[in-house]
Amino acid sequence: KAGVTQTPRYLIKTRGQQVTLSCSPISGHRSVSWYQQTPGQGLQFLFEYFSETQRNKGNFPGRFSGRQFSNSRSEMNVSTLELGDSALYLCASSSAPSSYNEQFFGPGTRLTVL
Amino acid sequence: QKEVEQDPGPLSVPEGAIVSLNCTYSNSAFQYFMWYRQYSRKGPELLMYTYSSGNKEDGRFTAQVDKSSKYISLFIRDSQPSDSATYLCAMSVTGANSKLTFGKGITLSVRP
Repeated sequence: KAGVTQTPRYLIKTRGQQVTLSCSPISGHRSVSWYQQTPGQGLQFLFEYFSETQRNKGNFPGRFSGRQFSNSRSEMNVSTLELGDSALYLCASSSAPSSYNEQFFGPGTRLTVL
Repeated sequence: QKEVEQDPGPLSVPEGAIVSLNCTYSNSAFQYFMWYRQYSRKGPELLMYTYSSGNKEDGRFTAQVDKSSKYISLFIRDSQPSDSATYLCAMSVTGANSKLTFGKGITLSVRP
């Protein structure tokens, strides 16, 4: 069974631009969560989607948004990029919401904002 | 005070050593406790998952939870160079809309 895939793996943007990251969950998984990982703040929860609905949201500004499609693939969008948005963005999938005992992470997208 | 505090590290040990990694937390509502291992340029992978106080063993790994002290630990016996990675603790409350709260992680290096 293929794992969680994220595209692109690396991305360089400039301040003020917007970016869209993509996540394809493990086949059969309908829940997708997004996380931001930085050296300063560690790994922080962004939001979780299940059956195309946002189930839960972390403490991030409205510039961070996401969506999930009917095939469970998910996208995350960051508008008006700031230098502090440089981070590793991880997505994780599971069959049900908050099923952390069977949640698998993708390799992440490394975003650099210049 | 952050909800989850983890020893900052880094930590370097010789091969074969017993490693002890620790996290404390302030939210008494946390019921589920996890340890993840993250290799460089990879996503975290779940090592241990537990929801009760006490010890849980899996091979060379033992997770310990003390809810009364709000303290969790991960022990690695007979550490190997392949154990060199960043280790993150994480925890959550119960409920379908819960979210994971992570410690900052500690980088472990096992010297051959």
